Amino acid sequence: AQTVTQSQPEMSVQEAETVTLSCTYDTSESDYYLFWYKQPPSRQMILVIRQEAYKQQNATENRFSVNFQKAAKSFSLKISDSQLGDAAMYFCAYRRPNAGGTSYGKLTFGQGTILTVHP
Amino acid sequence: KAGVTQTPRYLIKTRGQQVTLSCSPISGHRSVSWYQQTPGQGLQFLFEYFSETQRNKGNFPGRFSGRQFSNSRSEMNVSTLELGDSALYLCASSLGSGGVYEQYFGPGTRLTVT
Repeated sequence: AQTVTQSQPEMSVQEAETVTLSCTYDTSESDYYLFWYKQPPSRQMILVIRQEAYKQQNATENRFSVNFQKAAKSFSLKISDSQLGDAAMYFCAYRRPNAGGTSYGKLTFGQGTILTVHP
Repeated sequence: KAGVTQTPRYLIKTRGQQVTLSCSPISGHRSVSWYQQTPGQGLQFLFEYFSETQRNKGNFPGRFSGRQFSNSRSEMNVSTLELGDSALYLCASSLGSGGVYEQYFGPGTRLTVT
């Protein structure tokens, strides 16, 4: 079974600074998808960024980028120029590709990291 | 396009009762997944429906069940409620089933069991 681990329960950053959230995962598969989701106090889960395991290039979305290390099974999120609106719980998640067998549609989440942004 | 909607947003039930939660996916989306979020267990997968068929089920007791209608709307039912069922229930929809399709989440239903 796949597992996702976020070892940082809480992180904090000063506004305009950069912060990196860590995530490791365990899987025996070679093809999969990794995600970072943001959950603000409203509880609405918002997709921040997505990485396909077969792509070596790290995904980037504006101020958000990932460092994907497939051999190390590591998937960290870097937030540059942090803003007050970035304060939220961040979840790392794993999902199998569109292949046969079980686990269709299933996202496996890490425990989450609470990010606080100080003005 | 309207996002994923969930009703009701808040619910208070008593132990032993049953409850039905509803999820309307984004128009055109055929897959609906359900997750339970609690402070202790985090986010856990309940089940996924695609074209009215349950594709996968998480490790939850049989008291948790669901279904999907021909318009892709989904309902989740919990019978004989227990205190431990108090949680935020999130629904997510996607165009299809599998990792290639992004999941879009609804605002959740907060269930409190007393």
